[in-house]
Amino acid sequence: NAGVMQNPRHLVRRRGQEARLRCSPMKGHSHVYWYRQLPEEGLKFMVYLQKENIIDESGMPKERFSAEFPKEGPSILRIQQVVRGDSAAYFCASSPGRDTQYFGPGTRLTVL
Amino acid sequence: TQLLEQSPQFLSIQEGENLTVYCNSSSVFSSLQWYRQEPGEGPVLLVTVVTGGEVKKLKRLTFQFGDARKDSSLHITAAQPGDTGLYLCAGAEMGYGNKLVFGAGTILRVKS
Repeated sequence: NAGVMQNPRHLVRRRGQEARLRCSPMKGHSHVYWYRQLPEEGLKFMVYLQKENIIDESGMPKERFSAEFPKEGPSILRIQQVVRGDSAAYFCASSPGRDTQYFGPGTRLTVL
Repeated sequence: TQLLEQSPQFLSIQEGENLTVYCNSSSVFSSLQWYRQEPGEGPVLLVTVVTGGEVKKLKRLTFQFGDARKDSSLHITAAQPGDTGLYLCAGAEMGYGNKLVFGAGTILRVKS
């Protein structure tokens, strides 16, 4: 049973470009969470999604960031017009329901 | 937003010694999870504790959830160099969604 998959593992963008991060949850998991780990900081919640629905986006920056989890395909975290402060590790976690969340290997975003 | 205080931040011990890591909060969590994270990788789940007062053992690791579900501890017996790494506690907020609040982490180094 494959774990949570994220791609790309590393992403380099120039300021002003768009970044698209993908997450495929574990088989049978319909709950997806995105977290961000800034340099020298802990993991912070960004958004919680179920299929075709955003349930909680209280941790998402108000501008430039969006997330989706379509009926078919992976969850996508999209960052428009990236800035240097967006450089971080972005982790996706999936869950079958309550409690335990399983994390992917992360996408390291570097903004030049 | 709930906060989770994790201590100590750093721990350097000799092989064979025992150690305890603490996570404390003034808020109640529906569950608490412990992860271990290696550099460049995502957090790997060690255990989930759900019931107040619950104790779980994983070989030389013992996890405890406080009676009031506000705090937790991780105790390692006879630490080995292979235990070296970053340990994270994460509390699931009460209510729908169970988004995780992370502690800052404990960097453990076990010297041989």
